[in-house]
Order: sequence, then C-alpha cells, then structure tokens
Amino acid sequence: SSELTQDPAVSVALGQTVRITCQGDSLRSYYTNWHQQKPGQAPVLVIYGKDNRPSGIPDRFSGSSSGNTATLTITGAQAEDEADYYCNSRDSSGNLRVFGGGTKLTVL
Amino acid sequence: QVQLQESGPRLLKPSETLSLTCSVSGYSIRSGYYWGWIRQPPGKGLEWIGSIYHSGTTHYNPSLESRLTISVDTSKNQFSLKLSSVTAADTAVYYCAREEFDYWGQGTLVTVSS
Repeated sequence: SSELTQDPAVSVALGQTVRITCQGDSLRSYYTNWHQQKPGQAPVLVIYGKDNRPSGIPDRFSGSSSGNTATLTITGAQAEDEADYYCNSRDSSGNLRVFGGGTKLTVL
Repeated sequence: QVQLQESGPRLLKPSETLSLTCSVSGYSIRSGYYWGWIRQPPGKGLEWIGSIYHSGTTHYNPSLESRLTISVDTSKNQFSLKLSSVTAADTAVYYCAREEFDYWGQGTLVTVSS
C-alpha cells in the first residue's frame, strides 16, 4: 500500500502535549519524516529518521513509531507551532515517496 | 547553505506542457542524493511527483507517470520537470526539494486556465 493516513485536524491547549499520528502499511518497514507548513510557506522538516531533529528545530518536537503508526509529539506546544503537519515515507517498494494528507494543528 | 529555486512559466492553457527547472546552489547534484518535485493544489495537501538521481535514474508517481518526464543537467546543477497535457487539476504550487526533504525551494504557483 502507498497510502499514509492522518487525522485532518487536532487541537491542543497552550503548553500541553499533543500527538499527531500517521498510519500506513509501509511504515512497518520505513522511517517517517515529519514536516511543518505554515500558510504561504514551504514545508520545513522537523523530524527525520528514527527520531532526529534538524538543526534549529526545538527539542519539544519528537518522533516515534510502532507497527504501522508513526507519531509526532510536541511536548509543551507553543503558539508558533500552529501549522499543518505532514508525514512522509516510502511506499512498499521503497522507491517511491508518499505524503500523508496532513493534520491541521490548532493551539488554543 | 543549500538553496533551491524553481523557475518556469506560471500560466498555462489546458493541453499545454508544464516545464519547470530547479536550480541548486551550495551543493553539487553530482555528490549524491535524489532530487525531487512535490506539488500542492490550493488549499490541499502535498503530493510527491517524482525524483531523479545524478545518474539519470528516475522514480515517478504512478498517477502521473504517463505524462511526466524528470531530467537532470549536472553541468548546470539543475533538474527539470515536464508534465504534458495539463488540465485545471494540475494547478498547484510546485516545489523542488532534496529528497531527504531537508532542503526545499520556495515553491512556484502554476495555474492552468483557458
């Protein structure tokens, strides 16, 4: 299967912890990247590989995976974390890339 | 610092061919990595289009493969996208990216309209 499924929208109270999930059969075999996209901007990679953060990404962002589900966790969500979040990985062949449908995060 | 910049026509008529080029600076395409194209229709999510290695090896989204050609010019440190027979459904912001997705272009909106 080449599909990745995300909840369309999630909300979190300021300072609380939020988990955004991504489901897909290929996630049993391949790592998941997570991207943050704010309106009118290009996506920004926030988590890659097993649980790695590019330089400049706050350590409140973390990633994990179990079975066919990958999870992006934001511990102590800030107002500036309000954005769309997309997971991406490979399809079952390993050659093609696929994106999830995206999750709109609202920080209350 | 790796930078990518998309360029090409931004307004097309139905049935025309979309052509975009991604210019890479700060990193030689010959050094490795796949280089890819991603698009995002207005108000919708990201869609992976395809990618290319400096050797010319390509991988394409099966839903676009019949209309798609991605090529690379290592002498110019550029890679390009051609999508034929466009329709309004191809209207989107088109991004190029290094396919670890750690570096993205700013994106360019391509509109298909008669």
